[in-house]
Amino acid sequence: GDSVTQMEGPVTLSEEAFLTINCTYTATGYPSLFWYVQYPGEGLQLLLKATKADDKGSNKGFEATYRKETTSFHLEKGSVQVSDSAVYFCALSDTGGGADGLTFGKGTHLIIQP
Amino acid sequence: DGGITQSPKYLFRKEGQNVTLSCEQNLNHDAMYWYRQDPGQGLRLIYYSQIVNDFQKGDIAEGYSVSREKKESFPLTVTSAQKNPTAFYLCASSTGLAKNIQYFGAGTRLSVL
Repeated sequence: GDSVTQMEGPVTLSEEAFLTINCTYTATGYPSLFWYVQYPGEGLQLLLKATKADDKGSNKGFEATYRKETTSFHLEKGSVQVSDSAVYFCALSDTGGGADGLTFGKGTHLIIQP
Repeated sequence: DGGITQSPKYLFRKEGQNVTLSCEQNLNHDAMYWYRQDPGQGLRLIYYSQIVNDFQKGDIAEGYSVSREKKESFPLTVTSAQKNPTAFYLCASSTGLAKNIQYFGAGTRLSVL
């Protein structure tokens, strides 16, 4: 079945540091890929997405590129802020469009120190 | 404002008791989902519904039940058969045109007394 593996946290960085959160996936066909963010005590918010190979999703300074050859979708940001502290989830929907739900990674807790 | 409303925010269950978590959406979305979140486990799918009066089991449906009598509502009942119900429960919805973009509610935290 489909699966998503992302780096375990917590990841602790200083403000203005460069961020990379690794995400790799296993799926048949051509899944769509997502990054969701969860702030403390809240639900998940869609951060960015990519629907085909070599697509780059971007939002709020975050970027991720769909790499089919390495089955990866790593999240990057050039200069993090304290307000970026949250849990980040990588997820995929299968070729059928995700009508039966998304497959999530376990989440990476990001802590940004001033 | 359009969105997904989950209630209550916090819920406590006694042994042997059934409890129901509410999920309402005013986004006019066809599909709705329930996920369970445990620390270090990510999100796991409990049930989903693509249309009114129809729903399917997800990966961890045992001990849970749902109904979909109205398009905007998808309540989840945690039954006494669920022996480890303590978790954060998230409801989501998506449109029929782009089912893979899911929008989430703020969640309900369920604890056992």
